[in-house]
This record gives sequence, C-alpha cells and structure tokens, in this order.
Amino acid sequence: DTGVSQDPRHKITKRGQNVTFRCDPISEHNRLYWYRQTLGQGPEFLTYFQNEAQLEKSRLLSDRFSAERPKGSFSTLEIQRTEQGDSAMYLCASSLGQGGREAFFGQGTRLTVV
Amino acid sequence: DAKTTQPPSMDCAEGRAANLPCNHSTISGNEYVYWYRQIHSQGPQYIIHGLKNNETNEMASLIITEDRKSSTLILPHATLRDTAVYYCIVRVSYNQGGKLIFGQGTELSVKP
Repeated sequence: DTGVSQDPRHKITKRGQNVTFRCDPISEHNRLYWYRQTLGQGPEFLTYFQNEAQLEKSRLLSDRFSAERPKGSFSTLEIQRTEQGDSAMYLCASSLGQGGREAFFGQGTRLTVV
Repeated sequence: DAKTTQPPSMDCAEGRAANLPCNHSTISGNEYVYWYRQIHSQGPQYIIHGLKNNETNEMASLIITEDRKSSTLILPHATLRDTAVYYCIVRVSYNQGGKLIFGQGTELSVKP
C-alpha cells in the first residue's frame, strides 16, 4: 500500500499520560499536515511541515503538543499530560508542495483519554 | 476560518445524480476549490479539484461558476456507498502553506 499510513489506529490512555502517534506520508511528498477531528466536526488544522521544517502551527496546538519530522519523511505527534479534551481523531495528510496538487489523508489515529 | 458555505444535509435517490452546492464568495484568484468526502470513521478521501474550468474524473464532475463564487459537485449516478459527509474546501495558496480549511460539510444520504 503506497498511501498515507498512521499508527496506531486506536489508542486508549489514562489522563495525564503521554502519547505519540506516527505518520508515514506518501513517498516523495514533501508536505505533511496534521489535523484533529472531534465528533460531528470537520477536521481542524494543527500544523504542517515542508520537508523537515515545521512552517506553521495552529493556535489549537498547545504547548503540550509537539510534532517532528526529523528526516523529512515520517512524522510524529506527541501529546504530553493528556486531558479528556484531547480525545479525538488525529489525521495526517501529505502532498507534493506545488499548487493544485491534491493532499491524501491517512485513516487517522483515534485517541480516547479516560 | 472556512471560506465555504454548504447545506448541512441532502438526500438523493439511488441511481440519480447528486448535486452538492457550495458557496465561496471570498475566494482569491490563486485559490483552488477542492472536494473531499468522509465516510464514518475513515480519513477524508480526495474527490476532485479545480481552479477555473469545469473538471471531470472517474468519481465526479466539478462545475465552477464563471465568477468563481460558487461551485457544484455532481455525482452522476449515486450509490448507497456514496453516503458520506462531503466537504467543499478553498485551499490556501501554496505560498501560504496549501493547508485545507474544512467547514462543516454536507451530509449526503443516498436512499434506495
């Protein structure tokens, strides 16, 4: 499968624990995006990378959240000291960094904080 | 904030064409119109996109008005598997990051 891959698909964690999600984009896609989606809402933009550089962070990305893309390939999103409000689907997308090119999404990681 | 307005829900009979409208009156000249759909518990699926001209692919057709202030996604022969939330998105320009700003979408129900 050459699509965007996210791991794990589901994560249940206790409040206060740290969690890390991984996203493997489509090969050669230099842009990578993270989104969060809560029930009944459209996905909300969190941050994006151009290769290994993190170029924009949404105000939704509190200081408990950190994202990396160390070699410009896969990316990780870490949430520290999770709260119940962090329960959501976390989506990753990748695209070629050119105008008019589509972005492809992974299946997401569903986080439940109990 | 999303730059598009869509009806929250629509119904369509199986086998008929589904026409999903979208308003994007503040679209800029270099911004594309994208359509994605999302079936429950899955990631959004790309459908089609366009800048000025009408576009067609194996999934759908996209009709963009001449002033680019609105568009319509057409699913020519809707099936039950087309039941999903459809998002019309004005994609931020490449130089501004190219991110997709989702609105609430239209929940399309295809009925037998």
